[in-house]
Amino acid sequence: AQTVTQSQPEMSVQEAETVTLSCTYDTSESNYYLFWYKQPPSRQMILVIRQEAYKQQNATENRFSVNFQKAAKSFSLKISDSQLGDTAMYFCAFEAGGTSYGKLTFGQGTILTVHP
Amino acid sequence: KAGVTQTPRYLIKTRGQQVTLSCSPISGHRSVSWYQQTPGQGLQFLFEYFSETQRNKGNFPGRFSGRQFSNSRSEMNVSTLELGDSALYLCASSLVTGGETQYFGPGTRLLVL
Repeated sequence: AQTVTQSQPEMSVQEAETVTLSCTYDTSESNYYLFWYKQPPSRQMILVIRQEAYKQQNATENRFSVNFQKAAKSFSLKISDSQLGDTAMYFCAFEAGGTSYGKLTFGQGTILTVHP
Repeated sequence: KAGVTQTPRYLIKTRGQQVTLSCSPISGHRSVSWYQQTPGQGLQFLFEYFSETQRNKGNFPGRFSGRQFSNSRSEMNVSTLELGDSALYLCASSLVTGGETQYFGPGTRLLVL
């Protein structure tokens, strides 16, 4: 079974600064996918970034980038130039390729607060 | 394209009742997954449907069931409600599975009294 661990229950950052959220996972699968989702107070889950494990290049989406360390089973999210709208709960998620059939395994989440 | 829609958005039931929640996926998406979110247990996978077939199921009792229709719309049903079933129920759709991005609906908040 896969497990996802987010060791930071809460983080805070000043507007325009950079913050990194940590995520580690445990799996015996060789083919898998990793995601970061954000859930603002509206509770709508929104995809932030997606990483395919077989790709060595770290995914980036505008101000969001990941540091994917496959050997260490680490998948951290870096948010640059933080904005007030980034305030949300952030979830790291794992999906095994092949026979996962739509099952995302989520971490416990990190509450990020961006202060003006 | 319209996003994933869920109805109803809020629901209050009493113990012992049953409830049916509905999810309409993004047009063209064939996979629908359901999740339960609670403060104590976090986000947990309930089940996934693809082309009207349940292909995966999480570790939930048989009181939780679902189905998918030919237009990919999905329903989940919880029978004999318990207080612990109070949660936010999220559905997500994707084109296929196996690493495709899942797009989530706004959720149905269920309160069991």
